Amino acid sequence: QTVVTQEPSLTVSPGGTVTLTCASSTGAVTSGYYPNWFQQKPGQAPTALIYSTTNRHSWTPARFSGSLLGGKAALTLSGVQPEDEADYYCLLYYGDAHLGVFGGGTKVTVL
Amino acid sequence: QVQLQESGPGLVNPSETLSLTCTVSGGSISSYYWSWIRQPPGKGLEWIGYIYYSGSTNYNPSLESRVTISLDTSKNQFSLKLRSVTAADTAVYYCARLKNGYSYGYGLDSWGQGTLVTVSS
Repeated sequence: QTVVTQEPSLTVSPGGTVTLTCASSTGAVTSGYYPNWFQQKPGQAPTALIYSTTNRHSWTPARFSGSLLGGKAALTLSGVQPEDEADYYCLLYYGDAHLGVFGGGTKVTVL
Repeated sequence: QVQLQESGPGLVNPSETLSLTCTVSGGSISSYYWSWIRQPPGKGLEWIGYIYYSGSTNYNPSLESRVTISLDTSKNQFSLKLRSVTAADTAVYYCARLKNGYSYGYGLDSWGQGTLVTVSS
């Protein structure tokens, strides 16, 4: 069974920078896993932030950026705003996108 | 911007079949992939599967024996059926579009608001 692992929680100060990571139990994450990142606030549906590793959707603020870092997919939030407090999920695709697996999510607290 | 809306019963008896429909507006269902995702209360997201506009499907191996996703292009809708449900299937169910392309890759870009389905007698 394929497992995707994220940090359970991270805390960041307003205006600061925080990096979330997404690891695969199968080995290093590459662009071929088409990493996607989503933000979810309480009681709301997830909102797409990043697709195919680095690409922002048209509505995604520039302070969100995606990358590959040390064999993992990564989401960096720069100049963090209070409204960025939320749960963040990554999604990796396996087998030429025949199977999707979500990470367990990272709760980001802005304090 | 394409919009998606889930609909279906909010309560299902154990051992019966959960059936949900996703209506797509602002765009045609005759392209891209159409996905289902669920989220048990207080827990993370789980990928259920998707259907391509051609009709081909892929499912989460842990649910594959109980799941069917189908397409109705005449109504611009796609549907989820999950058989033999138990309390563990209680969740908010989301439908979403998986956009793809040669230079685009794959991205789940548009989501429905979600619908809570409770499995209980």
